[in-house]
Amino acid sequence: DTGVSQDPRHKITKRGQNVTFRCDPISEHNRLYWYRQTLGQGPEFLTYFQNEAQLEKSRLLSDRFSAERPKGSFSTLEIQRTEQGDSAMYLCASSSGLGISDTQYFGPGTRLTVL
Amino acid sequence: GIQVEQSPPDLILQEGANSTLRCNFSDSVNNLQWFHQNPWGQLINLFYIPSGTKQNGRLSATTVATERYSLLYISSSQTTDSGVYFCAVVASGTYKYIFGTGTRLKVLA
Repeated sequence: DTGVSQDPRHKITKRGQNVTFRCDPISEHNRLYWYRQTLGQGPEFLTYFQNEAQLEKSRLLSDRFSAERPKGSFSTLEIQRTEQGDSAMYLCASSSGLGISDTQYFGPGTRLTVL
Repeated sequence: GIQVEQSPPDLILQEGANSTLRCNFSDSVNNLQWFHQNPWGQLINLFYIPSGTKQNGRLSATTVATERYSLLYISSSQTTDSGVYFCAVVASGTYKYIFGTGTRLKVLA
């Protein structure tokens, strides 16, 4: 068990460019979450996958954001036409989804800076 | 949507002191977790506790779901306990975790 990993750890981009982040959950975890966190705030839910199915997506998420989990393992989060307001830490978490405990394990995050 | 409020917002303790952090939520929940975000930004799960009481070393937590609150107790605090403590809940009928406003704790040596 190597924990949740995210790549890249840091991304600097210019406004208008597209960016893609990757999350590798703990193996055999069927639940995967994406969050966004800005300075001084708690994580904000973006989307949730159970295996490969995207079961919930925040209404706050604009159409510029899309996420996939094609084989129920790793996931990608893409932001199109980035804006300065997209600058934040993007966090991924996974859980086993088994019965009595749904403990979430977080990755180290990808810090996005949009210039 | 469900509101999650934590108190106090900030807390400064001397090493060895005890503290109680509170999480209030505005609607019934399926899940509740407590997390510690260390000064390097890593979020660590402390407890999965939608109801009842759990203990893990110097930390314990109690959730009274019918009264819509949860408490996190830290005893004999250490400087490594510094950071931000969040509670997060899932409202009934959704999968969406809503994080509280956080309690920023600083433990002085």
